[in-house]
Amino acid sequence: DSGVTQTPKHLITATGQRVTLRCSPRSGDLSVYWYQQSLDQGLQFLIQYYNGEERAKGNILERFSAQQFPDLHSELNLSSLELGDSALYFCASSVGLENQPQHFGDGTRLSIL
Amino acid sequence: ILNVEQSPQSLHVQEGDSTNFTCSFPSSNFYALHWYRWETAKSPEALFVMTLNGDEKKKGRISATLNTKEGYSYLYIKGSQPEDSATYLCAFPHYGGSQGNLIFGKGTKLSVKP
Repeated sequence: DSGVTQTPKHLITATGQRVTLRCSPRSGDLSVYWYQQSLDQGLQFLIQYYNGEERAKGNILERFSAQQFPDLHSELNLSSLELGDSALYFCASSVGLENQPQHFGDGTRLSIL
Repeated sequence: ILNVEQSPQSLHVQEGDSTNFTCSFPSSNFYALHWYRWETAKSPEALFVMTLNGDEKKKGRISATLNTKEGYSYLYIKGSQPEDSATYLCAFPHYGGSQGNLIFGKGTKLSVKP
């Protein structure tokens, strides 16, 4: 158990809809990262937050947004969903900004019908 | 565009065999190199974060070495066991200092037959 909690585990929705994925980092971790793993693709970095502030941005679509709240949990919002957004979305956390290991949650599997 | 290459893509070994695989990364502006183990139906688990040229890290039967000048890292597994079957990923931080934007390789999938 990594200590990172992601909900929900599975999400099935239709094209055009909007969903919110939630992540609670390990106790004491200030950095939260979001990754996407699509079929036949490796882990793709989406966005990082540190202590409530956006820190780094990867290949995140404009239809996607995220935030980190004062209690350090984070939410990833995906809107105007398309079939190609079907993927496994991981959240990870680490203590700070230095080169430390990231601890991954179990992921949310999003299926767009 | 930064690229992290791993080889081989997959590896099949017998229980008890020792094995190793490679991660290649850009040698300029090096900050760190991460290794993760990803078992099927689970989430990636951190193995090592390596920062210094010549670094060698060990965790049980798994060890890793780092050559930042030539841009490669080796992961070794001594006496492979079926429970070592997993995909091993390496990752390289894109931005210096902060480890934001880890670029992951596609991994080496290891299968250990009893």
